[in-house]
Amino acid sequence: QVQLQESGPGLVKPSQTLSLTCTVSGGSISSGGYYWSWIRQHPGKGLEWIGYIYYSGSTYYNPSLKSRVTISVDTSKNQFSLKLSSVTAADTAVYYCARASCVRDCYSGYYFDYWGQGTLVTVSS
Amino acid sequence: SYVLTQPPSVSVAPGQTARITCGGNNIGSKSVHWYQQKPGQAPVLVVYDDSDRPSGIPERFSGSNSGNTATLTISRVEAGDEADYYCQVWDSSSDLYVFGTGTKVTVL
Repeated sequence: QVQLQESGPGLVKPSQTLSLTCTVSGGSISSGGYYWSWIRQHPGKGLEWIGYIYYSGSTYYNPSLKSRVTISVDTSKNQFSLKLSSVTAADTAVYYCARASCVRDCYSGYYFDYWGQGTLVTVSS
Repeated sequence: SYVLTQPPSVSVAPGQTARITCGGNNIGSKSVHWYQQKPGQAPVLVVYDDSDRPSGIPERFSGSNSGNTATLTISRVEAGDEADYYCQVWDSSSDLYVFGTGTKVTVL
């Protein structure tokens, strides 16, 4: 059973960089076949896809966040990470890491089948 | 960008059937996935690829997708089904994963 766990600071100052790490257990990131994702949820709101990474390092980002987002992977630690720069109060949210599995032949996109418990990050001075 | 529209709320009595819609332009041409989220918890995948169920998800959860509307159906609703439900697709034109606005299911 794959498990994901987010870790990182719960409070970040405005204009600084938000950094989170997701540790994967019960399966190897290096085995391939999946993308490793970050998704956030503003308080009381819906879900927003931030981006994802393949074990090889290939990344795809939400265009609305692309200029501020970096997702990286450390296969030796079975972890992947999120950095979001120049944060403002609008980046206050619960951040989830999730595994993305492809639909059938992988030409119809991916769905998110395993999720971490989520971590609340508050941007405030 | 691609927009998925869900009703804000659906109310249903125990034992009855709840139907949650997800509207989008020609959504029938896309693969739709559904998530259940209970308060303070992470989302859980309940239906993928329009109508498939992950292991461990009861047969009471089913999905369909045609035209401009996808539907998640919960049969024989139980109190434990009370949650927010989100649909999700991949928009190939923008290479963006899009979630619906969410529907709160209340069991009366």
